[in-house]
Amino acid sequence: DVKVTQSSRYLVKRTGEKVFLECVQDMDHENMFWYRQDPGLGLRLIYFSYDVKMKEKGDIPEGYSVSREKKERFSLILESASTNQTSMYLCASRWTGMDNEQFFGPGTRLTVL
Amino acid sequence: SQKIEQNSEALNIQEGKTATLTCNYTNYSPAYLQWYRQDPGRGPVFLLLIRENEKEKRKERLKVTFDTTLKQSLFHITASQPADSATYLCALNMDSNYQLIWGAGTKLIIKP
Repeated sequence: DVKVTQSSRYLVKRTGEKVFLECVQDMDHENMFWYRQDPGLGLRLIYFSYDVKMKEKGDIPEGYSVSREKKERFSLILESASTNQTSMYLCASRWTGMDNEQFFGPGTRLTVL
Repeated sequence: SQKIEQNSEALNIQEGKTATLTCNYTNYSPAYLQWYRQDPGRGPVFLLLIRENEKEKRKERLKVTFDTTLKQSLFHITASQPADSATYLCALNMDSNYQLIWGAGTKLIIKP
């Protein structure tokens, strides 16, 4: 079974802190994604990576950066956390190909105080 | 503007009946449409994909239809069970884009 793991299920941080969210997949997927999910808004893409060291901005990249040094690992960084970044963060991965399904991690519920 | 609409209100269905969820879109010409299930506090799980040239797709008790003229997909669960209670998300794929465009989801509640 494909497994996508995220470093934390719940995280509480203070405004201005630097926050690292890590995602690891074990199926050699080329593509990886970071989303945030807020009530009534659906999943919004922050960044995606189609291969190692490659990254593309999604719909809402402001305030975030990413790193993909190894194929299995995709990190999301909040440079200076703000209260409006309180959200559920979901990582996903898939094989290259538009019609391939995405496999999701369990999510990290981040609260910024 | 580009938009995907799913029923924002929860759908309550009696056990054993067929549940039908709707996904409408405007200003897109998707190549594929995917449906996912999401349980509370968990990530979405893929259920079905349907291509633009397919009218219908089935998997066990699940059926998806795709009408590119109406710009609509319907997701059916037959012989529904309380374990089918979850939020169901639809997502569109444009042919030349890595991204999926997501609906906000419909919460389905199956009552015993």
